[in-house]
Amino acid sequence: ILNVEQSPQSLHVQEGDSTNFTCSFPSSNFYALHWYRWETAKSPEALFVMTLNGDEKKKGRISATLNTKEGYSYLYIKGSQPEDSATYLCAFATGNQFYFGTGTSLTVIP
Amino acid sequence: GAGVSQSPSNKVTEKGKDVELRCDPISGHTALYWYRQSLGQGLEFLIYFQGNSAPDKSGLPSDRFSAERTGGSVSTLTIQRTQQEDSAVYLCASSFRGLAGGPYNEQFFGPGTRLTVL
Repeated sequence: ILNVEQSPQSLHVQEGDSTNFTCSFPSSNFYALHWYRWETAKSPEALFVMTLNGDEKKKGRISATLNTKEGYSYLYIKGSQPEDSATYLCAFATGNQFYFGTGTSLTVIP
Repeated sequence: GAGVSQSPSNKVTEKGKDVELRCDPISGHTALYWYRQSLGQGLEFLIYFQGNSAPDKSGLPSDRFSAERTGGSVSTLTIQRTQQEDSAVYLCASSFRGLAGGPYNEQFFGPGTRLTVL
């Protein structure tokens, strides 16, 4: 069983703060690294699919970086808003299988 | 457009009974995945279907679990002789994946089925 770790497990920030989370994964047999946002009572939604070492992706106030050689990805949220409150999941893809971390639960306090 | 749908949304069953969970993927998506999330755990890969290829069943936790995908579309996950440890949220996801492609496209998830085994 591959180990995908996310930290921190949970995070409370004030509205307007910037924050970041970490996803650690094996550095071998890497195909892709996916980030998903999972809001309460909804389905997980894709944020980014990252494949190349050094990749940087951005969507609005959210961005992510990828280091496949050392096995980590960072997700950044700039100027957090209450609607950013959700659990953020990363998934390490190798071949057919996806290995998800347990997620970082973000609460943005108005 | 229609997203991934799953039914039922909730299922309460007694230990030892069989259950069937259904997933309708997005039309045209070749890949279909089943996951489960037990309390306090991350999403656990169960099975993967790609087109007409043999499924990757390596994540199924026991031989009580099986899944089918008919006509490259609808999928059913069957759990026989349910146990209390099978209680979890079962999520289905689909994505487009070319014949020689890898896991490079985002997955679209259904709303899940919450299974409770008493």
